[in-house]
Formats: sequence, C-alpha cells, structure tokens
Amino acid sequence: DQQVKQNSPSLSVQEGRISILNCDYTNSMFDYFLWYKKYPAEGPTFLISISSIKDKNEDGRFTVFLNKSAKHLSLHIVPSQPGDSAVYFCAASARSNDYKLSFGAGTTVTVRA
Amino acid sequence: KAGVTQTPRYLIKTRGQQVTLSCSPISGHRSVSWYQQTPGQGLQFLFEYFSETQRNKGNFPGRFSGRQFSNSRSEMNVSTLELGDSALYLCASSLEDPATGELFFGEGSRLTVL
Repeated sequence: DQQVKQNSPSLSVQEGRISILNCDYTNSMFDYFLWYKKYPAEGPTFLISISSIKDKNEDGRFTVFLNKSAKHLSLHIVPSQPGDSAVYFCAASARSNDYKLSFGAGTTVTVRA
Repeated sequence: KAGVTQTPRYLIKTRGQQVTLSCSPISGHRSVSWYQQTPGQGLQFLFEYFSETQRNKGNFPGRFSGRQFSNSRSEMNVSTLELGDSALYLCASSLEDPATGELFFGEGSRLTVL
C-alpha cells in the first residue's frame, strides 16, 4: 500500500531552467514531509523538509510547497544545474506512526547541459 | 566525523540461505533504521531501533529480523532467502527521532539472490 506516490518516474530539464518534482500522499495523518536526493552507488542524502503547519519552505535553490487540502507537495529547483541530476525521493511521516518514514518510488532527474 | 558504514557492500547468496548485514551509525546517533530499495518501489521501511529496542517495524515477513547492540551498531538478518529479496538494503542513523530529523544513510548493501 503505497501511501506516498511519485507518479513521474523521470524528468528531463535544461540547465538553468526550473525542475518541478511532484509528490502525492494518501494518509491525512502525515504531518512532516522530506525530500532526499540519491546519486548512483551512494546512500540518499537529506535535501529539505517541511512541517504541515507551513505551506512553503525555501533553502537556496530548493523550495518545497505543501498543499494539505490536495495532499500534494512539490519540490522546485531553480535554476537546475548538472549536479542536480539524481534520483529524488519524497518521504512523509506521522506523529501517530512512530518514527516510520514512508517513501515514494523516486523521480530520476536529468539536467541537460 | 565518519558517516554511516554498511558491510558488506555487495554479496551474492542462493535461495534458502541466510544473510546478515551490518551497520555502524554515526558516532552519537542512537537511532538506526533499515530500508529495502528495489526498482520501482522506492524505499520500503523494515524496522527502526533505538537504544537496543525495536520501536517500529514495517510490513515484512518474519524472515527479516534485526537487532541493535549497546554501541548502537545494528545488524539485520534475512533467513530462507528468496529471489525477491534481491535489493539494496540501506541503513540510516539519526540522533533521536528519524521521522522529523534528518536521516543519514549509508551506501547500502547490495544483495543478489540466485
């Protein structure tokens, strides 16, 4: 039962343009959301997070938007750089679900020079 | 400081065998979580340990088990291996709450079951 869904398995974007990654969730109890980035042969690394009390969080080129009514969040990368080419995982957790992160299947981003 | 260390990095087993994977968390981190990554499925939560106690468990059969030692190092074991157990097994550590804190992942142990 996939509670976190990333419906786009891949995304290709021109260097300098905006990358928009989408994530949908089904569990209304989720109250914390995170994005992780993974390069081949490496473990995922934390990128950015957002609490359900906010609708936007920004960190440099990365911004996460949360739409609770639509159970949807998105990650914007502006401007996209070749080093951003990686797999991006969306994750969510609920206080009521003790310490268990639910991950999406991932979106592979390719930034073209 | 040293990151999360997982051993072995790669291993090949045959059906019916068992395997033990090891994870050394970042020094000072008391929470260790395990995930299974397969193509198209993302990261599936296996279990999480804190101070030698399993705090949460994912929806995996009893063939998957784990433990944590007093030095926070953790092991996971898979018995009676099946072809479908072929995957990348990732360990992650965090200071306290892995759900709201940043998880630090190791590079993973790639298991192939023949």
